[in-house]
Amino acid sequence: DSGVTQTPKHLITATGQRVTLRCSPRSGDLSVYWYQQSLDQGLQFLIQYYNGEERAKGNILERFSAQQFPDLHSELNLSSLELGDSALYFCASSGGVRTDTQYFGPGTRLTVL
Amino acid sequence: AQKITQTQPGMFVQEKEAVTLDCTYDTSDPSYGLFWYKQPSSGEMIFLIYQGSYDQQNATEGRYSLNFQKARKSANLVISASQLGDSAMYFCAILREAGTALIFGKGTTLSVSS
Repeated sequence: DSGVTQTPKHLITATGQRVTLRCSPRSGDLSVYWYQQSLDQGLQFLIQYYNGEERAKGNILERFSAQQFPDLHSELNLSSLELGDSALYFCASSGGVRTDTQYFGPGTRLTVL
Repeated sequence: AQKITQTQPGMFVQEKEAVTLDCTYDTSDPSYGLFWYKQPSSGEMIFLIYQGSYDQQNATEGRYSLNFQKARKSANLVISASQLGDSAMYFCAILREAGTALIFGKGTTLSVSS
């Protein structure tokens, strides 16, 4: 168990809908990262937050947004969903004693029908 | 830009054998970190081992060791005494500096048979 929690584990929805994925980082970790894993794109970095502030953006679509709350949990919002958004979405956290190691949550598997 | 290359799409090994998973990287940064993660069929990403670019010794964590050859820009994962539970996808990743995003390779599937 990495100490990073993600909910829900599975999500099935229709095209055009909006969903919210939730992540709680390991205790003490200030950084939260979101990654998308798909068969064609592999593992790609989406966005990072550090202590409530957006720190870096990767290949995140404009239809996607995220935030980190004062209690350090984070949410990834995906809107106007398309079939191609079906993927495994991971949250990772870092910032403890070994600040460079990122620990991943179990992931949320999103299926868009 | 940083890049990770894993050229072995699949590797097959028998129980108790050692196996080496290849990883080469490309970066112009003088300081960086290299990671290996394991992804079993259940889907979670499990951190295995870390090597800093300035570390003098190769990293080891139990049955995992990292064969780090800086001049050749390679960071191969060695798993000794393979077990059935080692069957999974293995990803190599590079980190430019602490607090930045990981760049992953495409992964290598390891199958361990009895």
